[in-house]
Amino acid sequence: QKEVEQNSGPLSVPEGAIASLNCTYSDRGSQSFFWYRQYSGKSPELIMFIYSNGDKEDGRFTAQLNKASQYVSLLIRDSQPSDSATYLCAVHQAGTALIFGKGTTLSVSS
Amino acid sequence: NAGVTQTPKFQVLKTGQSMTLQCAQDMNHNSMYWYRQDPGMGLRLIYYSASEGTTDKGEVPNGYNVSRLNKREFSLRLESAAPSQTSVYFCASSSTSGPAYEQYFGPGTRLTVT
Repeated sequence: QKEVEQNSGPLSVPEGAIASLNCTYSDRGSQSFFWYRQYSGKSPELIMFIYSNGDKEDGRFTAQLNKASQYVSLLIRDSQPSDSATYLCAVHQAGTALIFGKGTTLSVSS
Repeated sequence: NAGVTQTPKFQVLKTGQSMTLQCAQDMNHNSMYWYRQDPGMGLRLIYYSASEGTTDKGEVPNGYNVSRLNKREFSLRLESAAPSQTSVYFCASSSTSGPAYEQYFGPGTRLTVT
């Protein structure tokens, strides 16, 4: 069974610090990887996607992918209290729908 | 663009009642999905439709049926609601061209079955 694993948290960081969120996946055939942010009581919102090994940066967010280790991470620099949310990792393989992890809750304290 | 819309936003049902959750998207996406989200369980796929006229079961299809009415609309029906179906239901859509499977979610329907 294809699985996507995340630490449930909560991950607590002070304002201004770097938050590091991690995700591992079981299926080596996975091709694309997504990070969603979900505020309490709201729907998931896509913030990053990555297809190739290495880093992809978008503003304060950096996604990192290592297919050999089956590992994808999200770094949030200069964390703000508004970044406090649950972060969902999702993985896609051709011919299937997205498989989501259970999410990591991030708490940024001011 | 409204994106993905869902109705209703909230619903309370008694055990055994039926209802249909509606979903529509205006992004001209080919694929549409229904998920349920329960505390500690993450998002679980109920059914999806890769294109108009096709539907496939996801991880947790039992107790549900779906209809892809046209390219825009994808409905989820509970024929005989059970307390185990108390959950938040999200509809999503994605394009199958460009960055594949970037899914966009609706606001959700919060369903309680008593």
